[in-house]
Amino acid sequence: GAVVSQHPSRVICKSGTSVKIECRSLDFQATTMFWYRQFPKKSLMLMATSNEGSKATYEQGVEKDKFLINHASLTLSTLTVTSAHPEDSSFYICSVRGQGGSEQYFGPGTRLTVT
Amino acid sequence: KQEVTQIPAALSVPEGENLVLNCSFTDSAIYNLQWFRQDPGKGLTSLLLIQSSQREQTSGRLNASLDKSSGRSTLYIAASQPGDSATYLCAVRFTNSNSGYALNFGKGTSLLVTP
Repeated sequence: GAVVSQHPSRVICKSGTSVKIECRSLDFQATTMFWYRQFPKKSLMLMATSNEGSKATYEQGVEKDKFLINHASLTLSTLTVTSAHPEDSSFYICSVRGQGGSEQYFGPGTRLTVT
Repeated sequence: KQEVTQIPAALSVPEGENLVLNCSFTDSAIYNLQWFRQDPGKGLTSLLLIQSSQREQTSGRLNASLDKSSGRSTLYIAASQPGDSATYLCAVRFTNSNSGYALNFGKGTSLLVTP
């Protein structure tokens, strides 16, 4: 399966600052990447779908101006949480899907804590 | 509404027991179904992927079945070990989804295998 990395693995930031999370597909070209969020003891919820070279598609209830997604290459997508608030504290996980692929491969996740 | 439900939410068994985790989904039009393992504070590890045309998949002590018509999947773990302790997530890719290739996750079953 594909190898997916995320950076950073943990980040603590102050309320009002912005945080960028990177998701990299290390060994294959990911035409589609997904960003999920997981609150404690809850399941993963899809935030947005990003396709390389085009704008991300956001799920209902997810603010696109707050969660900026850039998928500039076939191996990198970034999620920027702008003006973070404590309620944005969560576990953010990305996944990748290759063209024509049916399986998704997940990154190790990023734990964001906003104080 | 396309939903994925997992029962039980938590399960504790003594080492060596065989066990079954259940997953149900509300729309039988699915593309595939994946079972994942998640350790505390970690990302997702894909265990088994079942395509809609398949009825089961096996990997080592794990066996996953799929019954599309009844909207059910089970994950069977044979001869459980303490190292199997984790949260097991069921995820479905629905055919007619507004989110394209994204997965819909259940809330997971938290498994504890005691020595």
